[in-house]
Amino acid sequence: KQEVTQIPAALSVPEGENLVLNCSFTDSAIYNLQWFRQDPGKGLTSLLLIQSSQREQTSGRLNASLDKSSGRSTLYIAASQPGDSATYLCASGEGGANNLFFGTGTRLTVIP
Amino acid sequence: DAGVIQSPRHEVTEMGQEVTLRCKPISGHDYLFWYRQTMMRGLELLIYFNNNVPIDDSGMPEDRFSAKMPNASFSTLKIQPSEPRDSAVYFCASSALPSGYGYTFGSGTRLTVV
Repeated sequence: KQEVTQIPAALSVPEGENLVLNCSFTDSAIYNLQWFRQDPGKGLTSLLLIQSSQREQTSGRLNASLDKSSGRSTLYIAASQPGDSATYLCASGEGGANNLFFGTGTRLTVIP
Repeated sequence: DAGVIQSPRHEVTEMGQEVTLRCKPISGHDYLFWYRQTMMRGLELLIYFNNNVPIDDSGMPEDRFSAKMPNASFSTLKIQPSEPRDSAVYFCASSALPSGYGYTFGSGTRLTVV
């Protein structure tokens, strides 16, 4: 069974800093790797999805990378803003299953 | 489309009572998922349906939990009898594609069993 890990569990940075969130997974035979954002009391919103054949995806100030051979993905946030404060979860999509395997998330706080 | 709609948003119930959570997926989405989120275990898949048929219920904790999807626009997750350890946020998600593509989550139901 796929195991997805996110370290650290929490991160605080001052506004304007660039930052990297990490995600690791045990089974490299994934279909895709997805990053979600979760605000307190809300559901999850998909930010970026990287297909297994891709190395990275970009959306605005966000860039996600995927290295299947090492079982790692990173989410890079440029010029962080207080509005980026949320919990970020990564999830792997599998070919043999239609559900997602989620990490436990990194709670990000951007300090004004 | 209004997205995935879950009700109620919050539920407080006494131990031993029956609890029913409801979900309306996005129209046209053939996959429906029920997840449970806790601080200790994160997001766990409980069960998912494809075209209203349960495909994988291996995550359902025990016989106290049951889920149904009587039609393409409605699903329920029932806990009977409820226990304090069932306290969590329960999310419903739907997608039109397999393998994790195009997931849309509802806002969740926060269940507290006292």
